[in-house]
Amino acid sequence: KAGVTQTPRYLIKTRGQQVTLSCSPISGHRSVSWYQQTPGQGLQFLFEYFSETQRNKGNFPGRFSGRQFSNSRSEMNVSTLELGDSALYLCASRGSGANVLTFGAGSRLTVL
Amino acid sequence: KQEVTQIPAALSVPEGENLVLNCSFTDSAIYNLQWFRQDPGKGLTSLLLIQSSQREQTSGRLNASLDKSSGRSTLYIAASQPGDSATYLCAAPANAGGTSYGKLTFGQGTILTVHP
Repeated sequence: KAGVTQTPRYLIKTRGQQVTLSCSPISGHRSVSWYQQTPGQGLQFLFEYFSETQRNKGNFPGRFSGRQFSNSRSEMNVSTLELGDSALYLCASRGSGANVLTFGAGSRLTVL
Repeated sequence: KQEVTQIPAALSVPEGENLVLNCSFTDSAIYNLQWFRQDPGKGLTSLLLIQSSQREQTSGRLNASLDKSSGRSTLYIAASQPGDSATYLCAAPANAGGTSYGKLTFGQGTILTVHP
């Protein structure tokens, strides 16, 4: 059974640009959550999608957005990148009735 | 608002030692708590999930306990090995009322180094 797949694994952008990250959950999982991890702030929740609907949202500015497709794949987008957006972005999926979150390997974003 | 604290921030032990990692949370009305491991530059690997109805959960050399009344959880690692070196994170539902789903509050982690 394939795990959670995140693409791209590494990317470098410059300030002001935008970026889109992709997450494919475990087959059959309909819930996808996104987290940002930085050395200073640790792991912080961004948002969660279930059946194409945003179910929870963290305290991030509107530059951070996401969506989920009918096949449960999810994307997150960050517009007008800032240096502080440099981080490891982690995606996790969760099955129906299950509480365990399974994480992907992450997408490491560097903003120059 | 749920807050999660982990002590110690870092721990260095010789191989073979038994050790305990601590996690405390402020909102005790949680329905579960999860422990993760993270290797440098990698994603998180789920180690153990304890439901609120359980007091302990075991997997191999790992044992996690949960005491909701005191707002504490511990992760016990028996006979530590160099391969156990990693950052260990605990996470509790952000909204203890049961609406958190995939929204977890993480501690800052304990960096464990097991030297031969």
